[in-house]
Amino acid sequence: DTGVSQDPRHKITKRGQNVTFRCDPISEHNRLYWYRQTLGQGPEFLTYFQNEAQLEKSRLLSDRFSAERPKGSFSTLEIQRTEQGDSAMYLCASSFVVGGRSDTQYFGPGTRLTVL
Amino acid sequence: GQNIDQPTEMTATEGAIVQINCTYQTSGFNGLFWYQQHAGEAPTFLSYNVLDGLEEKGRFSSFLSRSKGYSYLLLKELQMKDSASYLCAVRDGDYKLSFGAGTTVTVRA
Repeated sequence: DTGVSQDPRHKITKRGQNVTFRCDPISEHNRLYWYRQTLGQGPEFLTYFQNEAQLEKSRLLSDRFSAERPKGSFSTLEIQRTEQGDSAMYLCASSFVVGGRSDTQYFGPGTRLTVL
Repeated sequence: GQNIDQPTEMTATEGAIVQINCTYQTSGFNGLFWYQQHAGEAPTFLSYNVLDGLEEKGRFSSFLSRSKGYSYLLLKELQMKDSASYLCAVRDGDYKLSFGAGTTVTVRA
């Protein structure tokens, strides 16, 4: 039984570069979420997908951020023209929804981004 | 939006009991979750309450009062490995979790 996996676990980049993160959810889960967590704070919601459809985006997700889930399985989160303020842990979570009832969200290990 | 408050830090002795309180204000309550997070790791699910009352899972119990906007997580028979951050999260509607800042629990020998 594999959980949520994320790649890479750590990313160091220079300001202005683009970065892309990948998330593989638990296999039968149809919902996938992205959160961002900074030191000393709880995770903050960024966006979520049901199957391949992106249904909600937080106002935290500026135009430099884009997320996709092309086949309703894995997802990617891309940040263009990174800024130092983007440095954070990016967490992916997944859950199973049936009949409108949402189940518990299970989190992956996260990708820690450092922008120099 | 959500306002979720929990204490920043708590310290307790191995074998003791600690209670972490969480208060919240929300427009569309649909469940309260507790997660444990060790430094540098992912949050791991501990408990879920959607109805008033106490849910017990081994050494961990969670309580909810919806009318008071209040929950607590009770950790019994503390072990050193319980040193971690404990996150209170409220589900608004059917998808988004809003988290508190977390309570760092330190267990001393």
